[in-house]
Amino acid sequence: AQSVTQLGSHVSVSEGALVLLRCNYSSSVPPYLFWYVQYPNQGLQLLLKYTTGATLVKGINGFEAEFKKSETSFHLTKPSAHMSDAAEYFCAVSSSSGSARQLTFGSGTQLTVLP
Amino acid sequence: DTEVTQTPKHLVMGMTNKKSLKCEQHMGHRAMYWYKQKAKKPPELMFVYSYEKLSINESVPSRFSPECPNSSLLNLHLHALQPEDSALYLCASSQPTGAYGYTFGSGTRLTVV
Repeated sequence: AQSVTQLGSHVSVSEGALVLLRCNYSSSVPPYLFWYVQYPNQGLQLLLKYTTGATLVKGINGFEAEFKKSETSFHLTKPSAHMSDAAEYFCAVSSSSGSARQLTFGSGTQLTVLP
Repeated sequence: DTEVTQTPKHLVMGMTNKKSLKCEQHMGHRAMYWYKQKAKKPPELMFVYSYEKLSINESVPSRFSPECPNSSLLNLHLHALQPEDSALYLCASSQPTGAYGYTFGSGTRLTVV
């Protein structure tokens, strides 16, 4: 079975500082990897995804992530944090089961941005 | 249309009630999903429909009954729920390969009293 582990349930950064949210995956086959953001009382919004091709993936709102097979990692970064980035972030892996693929989430990281 | 629409946004129901949650998408996606999310937790998969057929049931109690009438609609019928079933219920859709990402609705906040 495929899974993801998010290191750090809470991360705090100052406005303008680098954001780094860590995600490691476990998979016996090449994975599809995703980062989602969730604001309070809302659904999940896709930030970026890796399926095949370029290992450095750029997403919305200035976020990017790099797929590193040797480290089984897919860390999310943003050069400069903004107050509006405060939210819950989920790393997820897509695994195959029969005729469909299911999305399995990590435990989440709450990002706080300090003024 | 790049949205998944869920109705209602909020639902309060008694333990003897029967209610339904509705999810609709018009992106041509052929896989649809129900997730349950408790506070401060990640979403947990409940059901997967692929090409309108139930593909995955993650051992969900029978008081939750999914239905996929057509490729654009997904329902979740609720009956005799317990207070611990109170949660945010999220619907998502994708192509069956999942390669292009999964689009989530904004969810239904369910409270069982």
